[in-house]
Amino acid sequence: AQTVTQSQPEMSVQEAETVTLSCTYDTSESDYYLFWYKQPPSRQMILVIRQEAYKQQNATENRFSVNFQKAAKSFSLKISDSQLGDAAMYFCAYRSAMWRNYGQNFVFGPGTRLSVLP
Amino acid sequence: DGGITQSPKYLFRKEGQNVTLSCEQNLNHDAMYWYRQDPGQGLRLIYYSQIVNDFQKGDIAEGYSVSREKKESFPLTVTSAQKNPTAFYLCASSLITLRGSIQETQYFGPGTRLLVL
Repeated sequence: AQTVTQSQPEMSVQEAETVTLSCTYDTSESDYYLFWYKQPPSRQMILVIRQEAYKQQNATENRFSVNFQKAAKSFSLKISDSQLGDAAMYFCAYRSAMWRNYGQNFVFGPGTRLSVLP
Repeated sequence: DGGITQSPKYLFRKEGQNVTLSCEQNLNHDAMYWYRQDPGQGLRLIYYSQIVNDFQKGDIAEGYSVSREKKESFPLTVTSAQKNPTAFYLCASSLITLRGSIQETQYFGPGTRLLVL
């Protein structure tokens, strides 16, 4: 079974600075998707960024970018120019791209709580 | 606006009582899911459904039941058999293409917090 690990329970960053959140995963599959979700105090889960494993190019969404290292099974999230609104729990998630593994669904990591200091 | 709605926002359950959490989506998504989130933890899958009148157990289905009578709706019942129901419950949905592959992204509702009196 796949597992997702986030080794940093809490992180903090100064406003306007850059922070990187770590995520590692374990899988024997070659085709899958990886996600970062943000959960602010409202607790609404919001998709931040996604990456297809077959794409070598790292995904980017405005101030958010990932460093996807497939061989190392690492998927870190970099937030540039941090803003107060970035303060939230961040969850890394894995999903198989194989239809026969649909039942395994999403596998979420335990989350990293990010604080943004003014 | 398209989206996923969950109600109520807060729900209180008495001992031995069954309660039902509502989840409705107007995204025309085929698949729907229920997750449980405990404080400081990630999400755990309770049940999921790919099509109407079909659903499958997730990792922690014991003490829960679901139905999928309409594509738009996927209510979750927390039964009296669930001994520790206090948690935050999230509903999600995703699209399944005609070829059977699953669109990879799940979209979430705002959640329901369930508390035991």
